[in-house]
Amino acid sequence: DTEVTQTPKHLVMGMTNKKSLKCEQHMGHRAMYWYKQKAKKPPELMFVYSYEKLSINESVPSRFSPECPNSSLLNLHLHALQPEDSALYLCASSPKTTSGSYEQYFGPGTRLTVT
Amino acid sequence: GENVEQHPSTLSVQEGDSAVIKCTYSDSASNYFPWYKQELGKRPQLIIDIRSNVGEKKDQRIAVTLNKTAKHFSLHITETQPEDSAVYFCAASRNSGGGADGLTFGKGTHLIIQP
Repeated sequence: DTEVTQTPKHLVMGMTNKKSLKCEQHMGHRAMYWYKQKAKKPPELMFVYSYEKLSINESVPSRFSPECPNSSLLNLHLHALQPEDSALYLCASSPKTTSGSYEQYFGPGTRLTVT
Repeated sequence: GENVEQHPSTLSVQEGDSAVIKCTYSDSASNYFPWYKQELGKRPQLIIDIRSNVGEKKDQRIAVTLNKTAKHFSLHITETQPEDSAVYFCAASRNSGGGADGLTFGKGTHLIIQP
């Protein structure tokens, strides 16, 4: 399996809802990422899990909460979101960097709409 | 943090001609520079990358050059075809053994191939 998969493809949620986005890869990659992409803008880094260690972009609001149950799975828990959080949420993974491989491969994304 | 500037924002070329997109970065510790192609409604797709210990890399019609001293890198596409039409993003990251930083993206270039 050489792909990063994400579920759901589309999600519509109200501002009081709690939902989760899921990302999975079976390439043995040890680093996984969440990015947010608004229309006609570049992806912006939100979180990095590298060797099970979390790095946070300090500008990301606490209503976004990442979780890495194991090295193949990455979740993004959403709570009390705002309409401006509507965007495409992209997951990516990267091989073990001790091998010198830094490439990041993106999943298809979850299109989130907050009403 | 890293800042990546990308130019031009829009580039229109005749089919068969060459296209060049340029990026500059600010963090001298950045050591990995990928280029992504993103078609409308799809995920970013890695098309070529270069590391800081290499000055140039080529893959068929696509090439990337890196000038570490000037902190700039460029994407060159020769013999452009209609399917090359897309948004292209440059990116930079600082990677160290055992971990991987996330990517900082440029704002993107909309490449239009005129038939």
